[in-house]
Amino acid sequence: AQSVTQLDSHVSVSEGTPVLLRCNYSSSYSPSLFWYVQHPNKGLQLLLKYTSAATLVKGINGFEAEFKKSETSFHLTKPSAHMSDAAEYFCVVSESGTASKLTFGTGTRLQVTL
Amino acid sequence: DVKVTQSSRYLVKRTGEKVFLECVQDMDHENMFWYRQDPGLGLRLIYFSYDVKMKEKGDIPEGYSVSREKKERFSLILESASTNQTSMYLCASSLVGITLNEQFFGPGTRLTVL
Repeated sequence: AQSVTQLDSHVSVSEGTPVLLRCNYSSSYSPSLFWYVQHPNKGLQLLLKYTSAATLVKGINGFEAEFKKSETSFHLTKPSAHMSDAAEYFCVVSESGTASKLTFGTGTRLQVTL
Repeated sequence: DVKVTQSSRYLVKRTGEKVFLECVQDMDHENMFWYRQDPGLGLRLIYFSYDVKMKEKGDIPEGYSVSREKKERFSLILESASTNQTSMYLCASSLVGITLNEQFFGPGTRLTVL
């Protein structure tokens, strides 16, 4: 069975400082991993995905994530936060062979302050 | 651009009413999904469909049914709405492919059952 744990329900950073959103996963098979973002009153948008190619994945808006199998982690980072990054972020896992089924984490709300 | 539209952004219904939530996608995707999103719980899969007239239960199908008569349209039905079905409902679609493809989400329908 697959599962994902987002370690922080809420993260607050100052504009211009680094962002770290933590995610740990559990999977019986080789997983595919995603980060989605949801801005207020908007649908979810894919930030980036890992599907067993390069372990460092670059996404949109300057975000990136590193797949670490030994730590079963897929943390999301950004060097410098912008006010427009304030949103809810979801870490998502899917096992190979269950191509249609995604398991979502409970979300991390990112607050960016001046 | 892929577009997934949902029939209503906000809906208020009474306990016991039959409720239809409609979702339409315009990119000829084979897979379509219904999720509900609740604070602190992330997104949970209700049902999905991988072809016309085909459906599979997700993690929380109780109290819901679905219909897919045409490829572009996927309906979620609450046969007899209850207050514990008050939630945000998100529809998504994706292509079938060799690797896992991202899901594209609609803006959501916030349903309140009184």
